[in-house]
Amino acid sequence: DIQMTQSPSTLSASVGDRVTFTCRASQSISSWLAWYQQKPGKAPKLLIYKASRLQSGVPSRFSGSGSGTEFTLTISSLQPDDSATYFCQQYNTYLTFGQGTKVEI
Amino acid sequence: EVQLVESGGGLVQPGGSLRLSCVASGFTFSAYSMNWVRQAPGKGLEWVSTISSSSNTIYYADSVKGRFTISRDNDKNSLYLQMNSLGAEDTAVYYCARSSAGGNYEFIYWGQGTLVTVSS
Repeated sequence: DIQMTQSPSTLSASVGDRVTFTCRASQSISSWLAWYQQKPGKAPKLLIYKASRLQSGVPSRFSGSGSGTEFTLTISSLQPDDSATYFCQQYNTYLTFGQGTKVEI
Repeated sequence: EVQLVESGGGLVQPGGSLRLSCVASGFTFSAYSMNWVRQAPGKGLEWVSTISSSSNTIYYADSVKGRFTISRDNDKNSLYLQMNSLGAEDTAVYYCARSSAGGNYEFIYWGQGTLVTVSS
């Protein structure tokens, strides 16, 4: 099974900050990685797919990069609405989610 | 507008069974693979199962294999999850999610979730 490890578990930052968090796969997943944002009581929202492709309607301050085993999600200028938990998901071999990074503003 | 509406959750005793449903609208249901993903209270997301558009390919997470059965009825635009031998570890919000138009497994569309609580 492919394991996905996100870091950090929690991130505290201020409005306007550039923030980056990481997702590592236990083996290569090429670019088959998605990032989701989830707010309490809501279903996840797709932000990025295939590692770096911005989902339609998602603000351009979100960007993704990486391939193989190491991936990053960057928010270029943190906004109050970005307070949420962010999950990565590999879909190279079945599906696995990371444990999440909680962003506190 | 794509909509996925889950139902069937509730309180069930350990060892019991439950059947979840997900009714889809706003797209050609029979053209897409469908999925179940769950989230235990305060925890992360866990993929549960995937079924192809014609039901000829089915996958399960190891944690539910042999206990859960995914199925679909394309005439009724419905996805199902039959859950047997439930344990406390199955307590979670269960989401149905649609695979992407390209047949990949990034999920744009999710239901609102249905809560399953396994407790005596």
